[in-house]
Amino acid sequence: AQSVAQPEDQVNVAEGNPLTVKCTYSVSGNPYLFWYVQYPNRGLQFLLKYITGDNLVKGSYGFEAEFNKSQTSFHLKKPSALVSDSALYFCAVRDRTGTASKLTFGTGTRLQVTL
Amino acid sequence: DSGVTQTPKHLITATGQRVTLRCSPRSGDLSVYWYQQSLDQGLQFLIQYYNGEERAKGNILERFSAQQFPDLHSELNLSSLELGDSALYFCASSPAVVGYGYTFGSGTRLTVV
Repeated sequence: AQSVAQPEDQVNVAEGNPLTVKCTYSVSGNPYLFWYVQYPNRGLQFLLKYITGDNLVKGSYGFEAEFNKSQTSFHLKKPSALVSDSALYFCAVRDRTGTASKLTFGTGTRLQVTL
Repeated sequence: DSGVTQTPKHLITATGQRVTLRCSPRSGDLSVYWYQQSLDQGLQFLIQYYNGEERAKGNILERFSAQQFPDLHSELNLSSLELGDSALYFCASSPAVVGYGYTFGSGTRLTVV
């Protein structure tokens, strides 16, 4: 079975500082990994994905994530946080094996960026 | 606008009632997924359809059912509603069964009173 852990319910960071939102995963084979963001009363919006290739993936709004196979992690990062980045962030994983394309989501991490 | 349309946006109903949530996938997408988001359970996968056929089932209650029609829109039917069914219900779509990722709709907020 595939699973995702987001160990922090909330991350607080000052505007202009770098941010990291942590994610670790568990799959039986090699993973497809995703980050989504949810703003209040909105659906989830795609940020970035890791399929194969370079371990550092760049996505929307200046976000990036680093795939680390040995640590089974896929942490989301941004060099300089903005107040407008405040939202709920979800990490998701899909096992490459089989034909099912179900994504399994973490419990979410609330990012709070303050002035 | 993501291209995935969910109606209605809000729904308030009484316990014991039945409701139908509707989802139109993004143009060209054949797979539809339903998720339930509640405060205490996070984002839970309910069910997936691909081109009219059920492909995967998650933690979907027997009181809930879904289908995908020939025009690819999908409906999620919730019956004998309980207070605990109050949640955000999201639909997502992807181009193929083994899709790389989803496009989400904006959700239907169901409140059971």
